[in-house]
Amino acid sequence: DTAVSQTPKYLVTQMGNDKSIKCEQNLGHDTMYWYKQDSKKFLKIMFSYNNKELIINETVPNRFSPKSPDKAHLNLHINSLELGDSAVYFCASTLQEGEATGELFFGEGSRLTVL
Amino acid sequence: GENVEQHPSTLSVQEGDSAVIKCTYSDSASNYFPWYKQELGKRPQLIIDIRSNVGEKKDQRIAVTLNKTAKHFSLHITETQPEDSAVYFCAAENSDSNYQLIWGAGTKLIIKP
Repeated sequence: DTAVSQTPKYLVTQMGNDKSIKCEQNLGHDTMYWYKQDSKKFLKIMFSYNNKELIINETVPNRFSPKSPDKAHLNLHINSLELGDSAVYFCASTLQEGEATGELFFGEGSRLTVL
Repeated sequence: GENVEQHPSTLSVQEGDSAVIKCTYSDSASNYFPWYKQELGKRPQLIIDIRSNVGEKKDQRIAVTLNKTAKHFSLHITETQPEDSAVYFCAAENSDSNYQLIWGAGTKLIIKP
């Protein structure tokens, strides 16, 4: 009964390929995120969706396209992969209660290696 | 916009001693400050948080203090144990940007036996 699950956990691929990472949460949360964590461990937010609507879209290349078919799912598609895309990608969710941010629940992470 | 600085980047303490990690923020309107712990190869998890209406919060061996005037907050871990070894992240909520969390760069805490 994993709260936030993402697949795949590991992904090794060649430069130029297109890949997707899927995320699902069963917590009933209304806000979901994608974070990128590079080798220096810095957590960088990429996207945020609230009830299937894009809220935050940080300055990431347009090769990255999030898709939220419903509020329990937020998938990440990456086109034309580059070496610099190698990182661990974390999905997270929270319940946004008015002006109060709730606890962020992270998935286990998806380690992407681009060769 | 909000900016969060976290120090030190690496902290090594003897088992049983205390550890303190400090963060400063720039936006005086920020009012929510969580701390997350990330063990090696694992996901970040919330360990403690504080809102601006209180100055200190404690949960067993961990505590967080907040100084709104100086715009800094700190994580205190007492009686450190080997399982405290991890990377710790502070964050501040930015009310100007859809309540997005602005993260510190992380502190790697090493507990020496």
